Amino acid sequence: ILNVEQSPQSLHVQEGDSTNFTCSFPSSNFYALHWYRWETAKSPEALFVMTLNGDEKKKGRISATLNTKEGYSYLYIKGSQPEDSATYLCASDNYGQNFVFGPGTRLSVLP
Amino acid sequence: DSGVTQTPKHLITATGQRVTLRCSPRSGDLSVYWYQQSLDQGLQFLIQYYNGEERAKGNILERFSAQQFPDLHSELNLSSLELGDSALYFCASSAATSYEQYFGPGTRLTVT
Repeated sequence: ILNVEQSPQSLHVQEGDSTNFTCSFPSSNFYALHWYRWETAKSPEALFVMTLNGDEKKKGRISATLNTKEGYSYLYIKGSQPEDSATYLCASDNYGQNFVFGPGTRLSVLP
Repeated sequence: DSGVTQTPKHLITATGQRVTLRCSPRSGDLSVYWYQQSLDQGLQFLIQYYNGEERAKGNILERFSAQQFPDLHSELNLSSLELGDSALYFCASSAATSYEQYFGPGTRLTVT
């Protein structure tokens, strides 16, 4: 069974700070890496799907990079805002193992 | 609103019973996924269907089954329910595998 890890477990930053989190996944049989944003009492919202080594994706102030050879992805948030407060989940899709979610990084942005 | 609908929103039932959860994907999406989120666990992938065929299977118990119908809606059947089956069940849809998944609002199942 895949083990997908995320760090840190939680993070408190001030409004305006930039921050980043890590998702680690087994690199063998890699197919795709998904990032989600999950606000309390809502459903997960897709941020990015990344498949190629070296992929970089950006959506507004949020961007992500992917390294499939070493099995990690970084999610960056530039100039954090209180509305960015949420849990950020990554999920690895590996051949034969399907989707395995990490435990998430809980971000709190203080005004 | 993701465009994915799930019914019912809440379900309370007794141990040993059987329930059916329903999911309608976004218009045009061929792939449907089912996930379980228990109180003390993260999101667990259960099963994926693509255009009516089972595509991938995760940690789905033998007491659980699913299917996707010709109109692409999907149902998740949970039988011989146990207290530990109490959870939030999400359905998601995507255009195809490895495309962005859009999550429904979830069905909260409580087994008493």
